[in-house]
Amino acid sequence: DAGVIQSPRHEVTEMGQEVTLRCKPISGHDYLFWYRQTMMRGLELLIYFNNNVPIDDSGMPEDRFSAKMPNASFSTLKIQPSEPRDSAVYFCASSLSGLHRDEQFFGPGTRLTVL
Amino acid sequence: AQTVTQSQPEMSVQEAETVTLSCTYDTSESDYYLFWYKQPPSRQMILVIRQEAYKQQNATENRFSVNFQKAAKSFSLKISDSQLGDAAMYFCVGLYGQNFVFGPGTRLSVLP
Repeated sequence: DAGVIQSPRHEVTEMGQEVTLRCKPISGHDYLFWYRQTMMRGLELLIYFNNNVPIDDSGMPEDRFSAKMPNASFSTLKIQPSEPRDSAVYFCASSLSGLHRDEQFFGPGTRLTVL
Repeated sequence: AQTVTQSQPEMSVQEAETVTLSCTYDTSESDYYLFWYKQPPSRQMILVIRQEAYKQQNATENRFSVNFQKAAKSFSLKISDSQLGDAAMYFCVGLYGQNFVFGPGTRLSVLP
């Protein structure tokens, strides 16, 4: 398996624009997580899904952020409108349920810069 | 290659005792950062400690300290006076240039 795939790897956009980040989890994994990493705040869990259903979105910073998982192999994180303070690295991770559900496999991240 | 390896999938420690979690890494970058994150059952990632590679002094944060061996590319985490609340998954993470690389994690159990 290729691991967790995220695209794009880098995104530079202007304030006010819509940004869509994409993630393909490892095949067979039924948990999917979105994280945001900044040097100031560290790694923050934004939202996670189980079997395509959002379980906990309490980490989503505000209404400008939304996440979807239309099927088991694809998820998006959308920011509309984007702001400079959204600049960060966004990680997607996936894991199995059951005994191994705590072992998360992280994607390479998307570095977002909002000018 | 830029890697982070944690060779201990699971560890356990008696309450009030000391435990050390292992982490080794590899990078060709001369300037990098290393982190330990804790993930309790709530799933929120909590930054435990941060080490800048250019600093020779080992970072410490209260009961948490690291043993940073740059030549050996080793970055272990020591937890002293373990508490029940320390039970969690611990991730070792490297920031190499602009690339974050996560280790697979070590599940720590604290026994009363």
